[in-house]
Amino acid sequence: AQKITQTQPGMFVQEKEAVTLDCTYDTSDPSYGLFWYKQPSSGEMIFLIYQGSYDQQNATEGRYSLNFQKARKSANLVISASQLGDSAMYFCAMREFSWSSASKIIFGSGTRLSIRP
Amino acid sequence: ETGVTQTPRHLVMGMTNKKSLKCEQHLGHNAMYWYKQSAKKPLELMFVYNFKEQTENNSVPSRFSPECPNSSHLFLHLHTLQPEDSALYLCASSQDPPLGYEQYFGPGTRLTVT
Repeated sequence: AQKITQTQPGMFVQEKEAVTLDCTYDTSDPSYGLFWYKQPSSGEMIFLIYQGSYDQQNATEGRYSLNFQKARKSANLVISASQLGDSAMYFCAMREFSWSSASKIIFGSGTRLSIRP
Repeated sequence: ETGVTQTPRHLVMGMTNKKSLKCEQHLGHNAMYWYKQSAKKPLELMFVYNFKEQTENNSVPSRFSPECPNSSHLFLHLHTLQPEDSALYLCASSQDPPLGYEQYFGPGTRLTVT
């Protein structure tokens, strides 16, 4: 069965430092996608970055990059030059490939990131 | 108009009330989802609709009743809820079945059952 594990319930980081949020996953399907979402205190889930299981290179989106290590089944999110506005909950998520129906995403338990000024 | 909208944003209801949550997406997606987010618990998928057809019901109690009249609108009808149903209810949409498409979320409805 699919499973997403985020082992850091909370992290504190100094502004302008880089931060790595851990995510490991478990699946028996060779085709899958990995996502990171940010949830500020307002509640909305904001998509940050996507990595496909067959992608050869790590995904990057601005200050966000995904450190994808397929053999270790890890998909850590790296935020460079953190900003106060990065304080939020961060969720790692995975979906398996399905032709037959809308494929569902499963989410990890999240990491609360707090940026200190 | 923003991508996925949800109304109301906040709802307080008694256990005997009947209310409905509404979700609308303006992204041309074909799949829509309801999630429940309780404090200190991972996001729980409740229902999935693809081209208006329900494709997933994640063992949700019958006091939650979804309705998807078209690919742009999704409702969650609530009746005789329990206090433990208090949570943030998030709606999402995506373009399926291609693997790479992420889900776009609405702002959520914060529900309190008294």
